[in-house]
Amino acid sequence: NAGVTQTPKFQVLKTGQSMTLQCAQDMNHEYMSWYRQDPGMGLRLIHYSVGAGITDQGEVPNGYNVSRSTTEDFPLRLLSAAPSQTSVYFCASSYTTSTDTQYFGPGTRLTVL
Amino acid sequence: RKEVEQDPGPFNVPEGATVAFNCTYSNSASQSFFWYRQDCRKEPKLLMSVYSSGNEDGRFTAQLNRASQYISLLIRDSKLSDSATYLCVVNGVTDSWGKLQFGAGTQVVVTP
Repeated sequence: NAGVTQTPKFQVLKTGQSMTLQCAQDMNHEYMSWYRQDPGMGLRLIHYSVGAGITDQGEVPNGYNVSRSTTEDFPLRLLSAAPSQTSVYFCASSYTTSTDTQYFGPGTRLTVL
Repeated sequence: RKEVEQDPGPFNVPEGATVAFNCTYSNSASQSFFWYRQDCRKEPKLLMSVYSSGNEDGRFTAQLNRASQYISLLIRDSKLSDSATYLCVVNGVTDSWGKLQFGAGTQVVVTP
């Protein structure tokens, strides 16, 4: 199993550009989530999904969209990038709920100029 | 006030020594507690869950103190490979699925 994969690993955007961060898992997990990690702060939940077709907002959803059309994929879309979105983004998945073991992808380092 | 607070460290520990650190949480209704380990520029990985009665996994011991709302992690006989940032994670209780709250992490540096 590849586990949780994320692409790209690194990305530089200009303010106002849009892009999609990809996340896929091959463990047949129902629960998937997106976090951002900034220096001196814990991981903060952006959006999460408890199954295909179901998504909900986390703590910091503004400026981000998600969809979950399949169990395997959970892309994160930045609608109009801002410097405040410069961060490391982690996708995670778990069997059914957030309290199951979270398996994280390797992260995407995003810089917005 | 942050929901989950940790001493950022770094805790500089000689190889073979014992190190312990705590994490406090603000939501008294939280039910699930975890320690995750994060190596530099890598993704977090589950180290251990924390049970009410306390639990051990090899050289690692986790304790929960509900009355004072903190969890602790103790590492015995520290190895160089234990150098990492340890993230305290607590579940939110707003819904049955839960939303995890992460602390900012405690950095441990084990020196030869």
